[in-house]
Amino acid sequence: EAGVAQSPRYKIIEKRQSVAFWCNPISGHATLYWYQQILGQGPKLLIQFQNNGVVDDSQLPKDRFSAERLKGVDSTLKIQPAKLEDSAVYLCATTPETGNTIYFGEGSWLTVV
Amino acid sequence: GNSVTQMEGPVTLSEEAFLTINCTYTATGYPSLFWYVQYPGEGLQLLLKATKADDKGSNKGFEATYRKETTSFHLEKGSVQVSDSAVYFCALSSGSARQLTFGSGTQLTVLP
Repeated sequence: EAGVAQSPRYKIIEKRQSVAFWCNPISGHATLYWYQQILGQGPKLLIQFQNNGVVDDSQLPKDRFSAERLKGVDSTLKIQPAKLEDSAVYLCATTPETGNTIYFGEGSWLTVV
Repeated sequence: GNSVTQMEGPVTLSEEAFLTINCTYTATGYPSLFWYVQYPGEGLQLLLKATKADDKGSNKGFEATYRKETTSFHLEKGSVQVSDSAVYFCALSSGSARQLTFGSGTQLTVLP
């Protein structure tokens, strides 16, 4: 079974530029999450989708971050404009309809300079 | 709200030493508890989990027991290997939303 796919793996941008990350979930997984992991910290939830609807985006900085999951499969996370403090690993994760195990992708590593 | 507290790192051990990484939690309801591992340059991998009190999760020689009375889920391994060097995260999931709350992680380095 293929895992959660993310791209790009690494990105370096200047502050005030924009960046987008893409996630392809495990086939059939209805729930999709984006987490932000700052160096030395545990991951923090940004947004949760159930199919193509948002379940929870209470911790998403909506002035600069946006995410969508068209057709309930792939998802994109966008940051515009980026700030230095956005340097982090952005993790996509998915889970099936039943069970509580969440599967993570390898992450997209962002450096803002 | 939910929170997870892990022992401060980093932890450095010699090969074949005994490992304990402490984890305590605060949660509403009856959470499921997890240990995830992150090897250098890789994403998070589920190491083990327990879904109810007194359950023991185990995998690859690692174990953790869900202790409701002490709200703890300590990770143990009897004999660590160099290949166990990684960052270990304790996490919980509570409620129908199935969202994970993570601890801050513990860096483990095992020396040959």
